Order: sequence, then C-alpha cells, then structure tokens
Amino acid sequence: QVRLVQSGAEVKKPGASVKVSCKSSGYTFSRYGMSWVRQAPGQGLEWLGWISAYNGNTNYEQKVQGRVTLTTDTSTSTAYMELRSLKSDDTAAYYCTRDGAISFGGIGSFDVWGQGTMVTVSS
Amino acid sequence: DVVMTQSPLSLPVTLGQPASISCRSSQSLVHSDGNTYLYWLQQRPGQSPRRLIYTVSNRDSGVPDRFSGSGSGTDFTLRISRVEAEDVGVYYCMQGTHWPTFGQGTKVEIK
Repeated sequence: QVRLVQSGAEVKKPGASVKVSCKSSGYTFSRYGMSWVRQAPGQGLEWLGWISAYNGNTNYEQKVQGRVTLTTDTSTSTAYMELRSLKSDDTAAYYCTRDGAISFGGIGSFDVWGQGTMVTVSS
Repeated sequence: DVVMTQSPLSLPVTLGQPASISCRSSQSLVHSDGNTYLYWLQQRPGQSPRRLIYTVSNRDSGVPDRFSGSGSGTDFTLRISRVEAEDVGVYYCMQGTHWPTFGQGTKVEIK
C-alpha cells in the first residue's frame, strides 16, 4: 500500500523557518519525485515545487523561490520541504504528493497525497 | 502561468441527478510528448485531495465509474452521472503540462 505520512502541525513566529517531512512507503522512492502543494485556510490549492528523488533536480514556483528548499533522503525514503522567512500569509496546510522522477507532471503524477501538515505563522 | 478557470464555483445537486463541471485553460494543455496532463482532484471535507482522473479521461483505480472526464486542448469537463452523498466536496482541475496550476475549485453540495 503506497503511503505518504507527513510530520505534525507547527506554529512559528514571523521570520522563522519550518521544515516539513514526508515519509513514503509501499513503493521505490528513488523511481519517483515529489511535489509540494499548499492550501491556505478556506482557499484553493497552490503548487510550490518539485524534486526528483532519482537525481535531486528541483523546480520551484516563482512566488516562493529563494525561500523554499526541497530535499530528499533516499536512505529513509523521506522528502523534506523547508520554508524560510515565514510570513503570516504562509499559514496553510502543506501537502506532499507523489510526482514524476524526471519532471513534474505526467501520467503517474499527483496520484498519492500525504495527510497534510498545518503550519501556522503568528506572532 | 497557465490560468485554469472552473465553472460553476458552487454546484447544488439533487441526489441521483447528474452534475457537470467545466474547466478552461488559458493555453493548450497538449504536451510535447502528445499527452494532455489534465487531472481532476476531489477534496472531501477535512481530507487531503485525491486524484480521480488523469490525462483528461482516465479514471484512477477505485474511482466509481459514475465519474468521467472529457475534453481536449483548452476545454475540459468532469461529469458525475448520478450524484451520491459521498461525492460532496470540492473538485479541482489541475494541469501538469506547464508549471502546475489549479482551478479555483467547485464546491458540490446536496440540495
């Protein structure tokens, strides 16, 4: 059974950083990539970026580029999303979702989702 | 960025009746490899999104056959042949041909 299990909720102050983990199981981690998507309370979905667990390549959405870093640890089949210089409008649920190994998008993309990690930014 | 525009944004439906959601993209979603990476996602209240449809019209495993997707180029449709109570939630179209973007979401509720 393919699963993505994310780390727990976080509360951070403005200007701080947060690192969310996404542990995979049930498939060969290095044969896929991972995209990260966020959803502000009561709002829609926003793609943040993609990382290949195969070769470490990344793509970041322009809005968060420079503040976000995606990494993977193939030894533990875990993907990470770090967001720095947090602002109040970064308050959102952050989701990892399985994606392609060579590029984002594809037939196998976005087929499995984590349970979400709520990040609250408040002074 | 490719803008995905859904309509309607709210869809009250009667149990057992059909429902249809439209999604239009600001650019063609035909990829250079010939595929069209248009997906439909369902998000039930309090849950993570779930992929229902990939490459316009292919249903994911476990998705009831009352869900169907169609379209091409820039115009796409998700249809539910007979709405059931478990279909309540928000439905998003999403494209992966270009930098991924989502529609605004369509909230499906029972009348």
